[in-house]
Amino acid sequence: DAKTTQPTSMDCAEGRAANLPCNHSTISGNEYVYWYRQIHSQGPQYIIHGLKNNETNEMASLIITEDRKSSTLILPHATLRDTAVYYCIVGSSNTGKLIFGQGTTLQVKP
Amino acid sequence: GAGVSQTPSNKVTEKGKYVELRCDPISGHTALYWYRQSLGQGPEFLIYFQGTGAADDSGLPNDRFFAVRPEGSVSTLKIQRTERGDSAVYLCASSFAARGGGRDTQYFGPGTRLTVL
Repeated sequence: DAKTTQPTSMDCAEGRAANLPCNHSTISGNEYVYWYRQIHSQGPQYIIHGLKNNETNEMASLIITEDRKSSTLILPHATLRDTAVYYCIVGSSNTGKLIFGQGTTLQVKP
Repeated sequence: GAGVSQTPSNKVTEKGKYVELRCDPISGHTALYWYRQSLGQGPEFLIYFQGTGAADDSGLPNDRFFAVRPEGSVSTLKIQRTERGDSAVYLCASSFAARGGGRDTQYFGPGTRLTVL
């Protein structure tokens, strides 16, 4: 599975959009980009995933560059409850395991 | 509906003892995963079941760790001769895995915090 690089931490003002970047320059053609988040003392929570096209759901949007070497998770209107560690994971649909990195600690401030 | 549940939520044991950690997946999910998370780190994959069989156990650190899923639902992670370095949060996840063994959205339980004194 390809390795990902994320900033260690980010701040965002409440009500503003949070844009979390992820680099995955070694991604291969059959690998998806997954985003999970982990709120303190809870298990990780699925947010969104994509292969080539941009994706949107009720939680977030995922923007994947045309060369697929990087992506951005967008939380359109961050709230204090979005404070968490956000993990960008790249992996094949043929394997069951998720390889977590260190993630980005997002702090949403009032 | 009910999510993934794990028991106990906390377990304190002494070095050298045997422990069992239980995971109840979401009903109907055929795939089940175990991860462990040390303080300040992301979760680390241990083992993945598809039905009753272990499809990938490459993450088990050594032969003191073993997991079973005899009826394709509940799973137990077993750790023999525990060591202080085994202290971590042990997470379980399940997925529908409708695509024949491929990855699907994994839903995580709250974890079991294991402390080895």
